[in-house]
Amino acid sequence: KAGVTQTPRYLIKTRGQQVTLSCSPISGHRSVSWYQQTPGQGLQFLFEYFSETQRNKGNFPGRFSGRQFSNSRSEMNVSTLELGDSALYLCASSLRTGESFGANVLTFGAGSRLTVL
Amino acid sequence: GQQVMQIPQYQHVQEGEDFTTYCNSSTTLSNIQWYKQRPGGHPVFLIQLVKSGEVKKQKRLTFQFGEAKKNSSLHITATQTTDVGTYFCAGRDNTDKLIFGTGTRLQVFP
Repeated sequence: KAGVTQTPRYLIKTRGQQVTLSCSPISGHRSVSWYQQTPGQGLQFLFEYFSETQRNKGNFPGRFSGRQFSNSRSEMNVSTLELGDSALYLCASSLRTGESFGANVLTFGAGSRLTVL
Repeated sequence: GQQVMQIPQYQHVQEGEDFTTYCNSSTTLSNIQWYKQRPGGHPVFLIQLVKSGEVKKQKRLTFQFGEAKKNSSLHITATQTTDVGTYFCAGRDNTDKLIFGTGTRLQVFP
């Protein structure tokens, strides 16, 4: 079956602009998580959505937001871009069946590489 | 909040040598997962450990979960150039967020 699809793969923006990234999870996966990866900070958790609800949020400013649609596809938005937002943004999906979430494994997409000039 | 540290940050080995990365959490983990990210790629799931003291093997890779469920290790026997990449551990904190460790980048010289 198809993997996790992220679009766009690469994009360049300038400071102050906003950006929207899209993620289509594996069919049947209801949870989508977003991570920011930078060389210096590793993989930082942004947020997780399950059944269109944000279940968890990392320590990022309010400029970072996201949502999930009824088909489980997810988008994240970053407004008023700063140079420090340049990073690889990774989306991952998982089954997250039932209320016991701990056991589920993440399948990552290839990422969207954002460069802010 | 929970912190997950990995050591070493980098490791360069000669092909055929062994390699170990250690993962330490500031809090007890319900389970721990390991992922591998090849250069230019995305993290790929390797294994999950759930029980205290659990040991699992995948060919040349041996994964261990500490008795106190606060640390874990990944050991690779006789490294090959295909083992190159960054290895991350990941554990869920008390709010159920999956927190990734700082990662260990492995370089293998032929």
